Amino acid sequence: AQKVTQAQTEISVVEKEDVTLDCVYETRDTTYYLFWYKQPPSGELVFLIRRNSFDEQNEISGRYSWNFQKSTSSFNFTITASQVVDSAVYFCALSGYGGSQGNLIFGKGTKLSVKP
Amino acid sequence: GAGVSQSPRYKVAKRGQDVALRCDPISGHVSLFWYQQALGQGPEFLTYFQNEAQLDKSGLPSDRFFAERPEGSVSTLKIQRTQQEDSAVYLCASSSSGGVVGNQPQHFGDGTRLSIL
Repeated sequence: AQKVTQAQTEISVVEKEDVTLDCVYETRDTTYYLFWYKQPPSGELVFLIRRNSFDEQNEISGRYSWNFQKSTSSFNFTITASQVVDSAVYFCALSGYGGSQGNLIFGKGTKLSVKP
Repeated sequence: GAGVSQSPRYKVAKRGQDVALRCDPISGHVSLFWYQQALGQGPEFLTYFQNEAQLDKSGLPSDRFFAERPEGSVSTLKIQRTQQEDSAVYLCASSSSGGVVGNQPQHFGDGTRLSIL
């Protein structure tokens, strides 16, 4: 079975702090994709990143960085120098052959509050 | 528009009524997905279309839920004889890839917030 666990339900930080959102996944597929989405209060899910299971290189995009470790089945997301606009619910998701052709399995999300 | 468009944005219905939710995907996108998001939870898969073909409906919670995409573009999710547990946000997503797992990211609409009284 496929499963995504985001153990942190809510995180609160002060602006400019760094924050890491954890994501642990379970799958029997050898080929799979991992995603992070941001859901601001407006409700729309905004795509942030997609990684495939064969590429374990860490990725950095501005203040965002992702650490993919197959050995621990984790795909953690770090925001450096957080800003108030980063406040949102962040979802980690998994897609693989075990389910439908590409449907996403989401974690329960981590609500990030960044205070000024 | 450039993004996935869903309507209505909000829908209130009395228990037992039928509702229809519309999704207009990004132009040219082959794949279309419906998800249900309960309050405080992550989205859960309902059904998947590749063009007009419904390839997976394993996530539909009951036979009261029905989805269609007759011309391979706009899709409608219909819920018959609504019940209070149907209250949720219904999200639609589209992707340019078809038949290749996770090849392209899914782009989501704003969702329809359904409240059953």
